[in-house]
Amino acid sequence: GESVGLHLPTLSVQEGDNSIINCAYSNSASDYFIWYKQESGKGPQFIIDIRSNMDKRQGQRVTVLLNKTVKHLSLQIAATQPGDSAVYFCAGDGQGGKLIFGQGTELSVKP
Amino acid sequence: GAVVSQHPSWVICKSGTSVKIECRSLDFQATTMFWYRQFPKQSLMLMATSNEGSKATYEQGVEKDKFLINHASLTLSTLTVTSAHPEDSSFYICSARDTLAGGAGETQYFGPGTRLLVL
Repeated sequence: GESVGLHLPTLSVQEGDNSIINCAYSNSASDYFIWYKQESGKGPQFIIDIRSNMDKRQGQRVTVLLNKTVKHLSLQIAATQPGDSAVYFCAGDGQGGKLIFGQGTELSVKP
Repeated sequence: GAVVSQHPSWVICKSGTSVKIECRSLDFQATTMFWYRQFPKQSLMLMATSNEGSKATYEQGVEKDKFLINHASLTLSTLTVTSAHPEDSSFYICSARDTLAGGAGETQYFGPGTRLLVL
């Protein structure tokens, strides 16, 4: 079946450190993945995406890695800041244009 | 670009009343919009796919007669929670796909959400 899941529900990091948030997926037919950031009381905000023909994509302070062999996706945030504190969701494309969301990882940044 | 708005941002209503939530794509056309609900500390749960000019497609377990969806234009979809009850209290979020985005058309842009509290 289709599923996108996350390894850890919470992650606490020190300000300035790098953060790594992981995600596993089971649908081998997914060829598009997105990371979203959701702050408390707000809608998800697009961070970065990647297609299955790539294994790495970089944005501003963020990098997404895709390992199709083990169906694993990760989001790396460099020099984590207090403003990065939020819940991060990975999502993969499913049938009919739907997105399948993972459980989410709550990132807390300690000053 | 790719801004999605929702109105209202929050609503409190009495049990048995109906509540309409609007979702608008402000700077792009959206043939397809999606409606989600989210409970505290949980992920987003897709309720239905809203298609401009045609009937919405509901996910399994979602009552189409209770959650009425209308997508009358390329920039507006509405969700009406009919005869709302306390168990309908939740955070409702819409998203939209840019119809003209070509290869990046899978990306869903989300609205800010509407918090519904049914007393």
